[in-house]
Amino acid sequence: DQQVKQNSPSLSVQEGRISILNCDYTNSMFDYFLWYKKYPAEGPTFLISISSIKDKNEDGRFTVFLNKSAKHLSLHIVPSQPGDSAVYFCASRYPGTYKYIFGTGTRLKVLA
Amino acid sequence: EAGVAQSPRYKIIEKRQSVAFWCNPISGHATLYWYQQILGQGPKLLIQFQNNGVVDDSQLPKDRFSAERLKGVDSTLKIQPAKLEDSAVYLCASSPGTSGEQFFGPGTRLTVL
Repeated sequence: DQQVKQNSPSLSVQEGRISILNCDYTNSMFDYFLWYKKYPAEGPTFLISISSIKDKNEDGRFTVFLNKSAKHLSLHIVPSQPGDSAVYFCASRYPGTYKYIFGTGTRLKVLA
Repeated sequence: EAGVAQSPRYKIIEKRQSVAFWCNPISGHATLYWYQQILGQGPKLLIQFQNNGVVDDSQLPKDRFSAERLKGVDSTLKIQPAKLEDSAVYLCASSPGTSGEQFFGPGTRLTVL
């Protein structure tokens, strides 16, 4: 039973345009969400997070939106750069723990 | 600040053999995780340590997998005996426990033939 889903396995975007990566979850009790970026042969690196009490968090070119009623979060990258090409994972946390469930990832390719 | 170290980076073994992976977390990080990432999937938590105690090992196949974290620092993950379906990248991560962010090592790619 996949509690965290990233339904788009891949996404291609032109350099300078907006990239939107989506993530859906099923457990309404999740209280914290993170996005990680992963390059080949490297471990995932933390990108941005959001608490369930917020609906938006912004850090430079990266913004995460949370829609609790829809159990949906999205990562916006504006403007997209070729160096953003990587696999992006969303992760959701069980409340009161540091246990995370990861999605299957979306491979983003930013075309120059 | 040094990152999470893992070794070996790659390992190829025959099925039914044994293998062990090592992880050195970031200094001072109380929480340590082992994840299994099968190709095309997201990381799946195998075991979580808080200092040297196990917090969660509900998804660890205990008939063949074992892990320990001696003195609350380094950790080893062992598979004995290995099966073909154990082929995956094994990721170690640590966190200070005061924020959600986890810091991942580069992983060990295991191939079981």
